[in-house]
Amino acid sequence: AQSVTQPDIHITVSEGASLELRCNYSYGATPYLFWYVQSPGQGLQLLLKYFSGDTLVQGIKGFEAEFKRSQSSFNLRKPSVHWSDAAEYFCAVAGGYQKVTFGTGTKLQVIP
Amino acid sequence: KAGVTQTPRYLIKTRGQQVTLSCSPISGHRSVSWYQQTPGQGLQFLFEYFSETQRNKGNFPGRFSGRQFSNSRSEMNVSTLELGDSALYLCASSLVILSSGGPFESDEQFFGPGTRLTVL
Repeated sequence: AQSVTQPDIHITVSEGASLELRCNYSYGATPYLFWYVQSPGQGLQLLLKYFSGDTLVQGIKGFEAEFKRSQSSFNLRKPSVHWSDAAEYFCAVAGGYQKVTFGTGTKLQVIP
Repeated sequence: KAGVTQTPRYLIKTRGQQVTLSCSPISGHRSVSWYQQTPGQGLQFLFEYFSETQRNKGNFPGRFSGRQFSNSRSEMNVSTLELGDSALYLCASSLVILSSGGPFESDEQFFGPGTRLTVL
């Protein structure tokens, strides 16, 4: 069965600092991987996705993620965090059409 | 283009009652998925519908059911509500195109704002 682990429940970074959110997945075949962001009271918005090809994926809002098959990881990065990036971030893996398994999420706090 | 809409946004029910939540997908999207989000269990997949048929189902009891109409709108129903059913219920739609060349399934799901259900 597919699964996703986000080891960091909560992360605090200073505005302007770099960010890396960790994600490890378990899936028997080549995974479809996603990162979503959820602001309070809102639904989820897709930041980026990986299916195949280039292992470094660029997304919206200046985010990127790198797929590392050997480490079963798909970590999300941003070189300089803005206060508006404060939200909860979810890593997800898809196995089968539209059946998506989400990680438990990482809450990002940005301090001035 | 309008996004995914969910109604109602907030709902308060008591134990034993039943509830129906509605989801209108983005125009042209034919796949609708439902998720339950709770602080303890996180985001969990409930089921997915396409062309009025349930294609995938998560590990939820039979009290949770859904359906999809010919216009792709979907409803989910929870019967005999329990306190643990209090959650944010999210709906997501995705583009699916059937053609003579084979089905095209989009890789992206678009989420609605959710329905916050509180069971007292």
